[in-house]
Amino acid sequence: AQSVAQPEDQVNVAEGNPLTVKCTYSVSGNPYLFWYVQYPNRGLQFLLKYITGDNLVKGSYGFEAEFNKSQTSFHLKKPSALVSDSALYFCAVRVETGANNLFFGTGTRLTVIP
Amino acid sequence: EAGVVQSPRYKIIEKKQPVAFWCNPISGHNTLYWYRQNLGQGPELLIRYENEEAVDDSQLPKDRFSAERLKGVDSTLKIQPAELGDSAVYLCASSLGERATDTQYFGPGTRLTVL
Repeated sequence: AQSVAQPEDQVNVAEGNPLTVKCTYSVSGNPYLFWYVQYPNRGLQFLLKYITGDNLVKGSYGFEAEFNKSQTSFHLKKPSALVSDSALYFCAVRVETGANNLFFGTGTRLTVIP
Repeated sequence: EAGVVQSPRYKIIEKKQPVAFWCNPISGHNTLYWYRQNLGQGPELLIRYENEEAVDDSQLPKDRFSAERLKGVDSTLKIQPAELGDSAVYLCASSLGERATDTQYFGPGTRLTVL
């Protein structure tokens, strides 16, 4: 069975500081990993994905994520947080085999403090 | 390029009433998904279409939920009758294909409140 864990419900960071939103996964087979962001009363917006190749993936709005196979993690990072980054962030995983569905974590609310 | 369009954005109904949600995917996207997002949770797949065929409806509560994707473009999700526990945000998403590597793009969702 596939699963995704986002161990922190809430992350607070000061504006200008680096931010990290954590994600770990459990799958059978090769994982494909995604990060989405959700602003209030809006749908999920795609940020980035890891398919294969370079473990460091760069995405929209200056975000990046590092795939770590040994630690089964895919943490989202940004070098300098903006107040406008405050939102709900979801990590998701998918595999080619089986049901081939996208499984989401429970989300992490990021608050950037001015 | 237009994104995934959903309507209505908000719907309030009384229990036992029917309700329907509409989705128009990104042009050229063959695969369409309906998700339900409960408060404080991530989205959970209800049904996936490849063109007009429902290829995975294992999570759709078929006693009260139904969906269709006529002509392989627009889709409608229906609940009849609605129950209190159906209150949630219903999200539609689309992707070019159904490969695991294909990015899913989401619409703004319909927030359903059942009283």
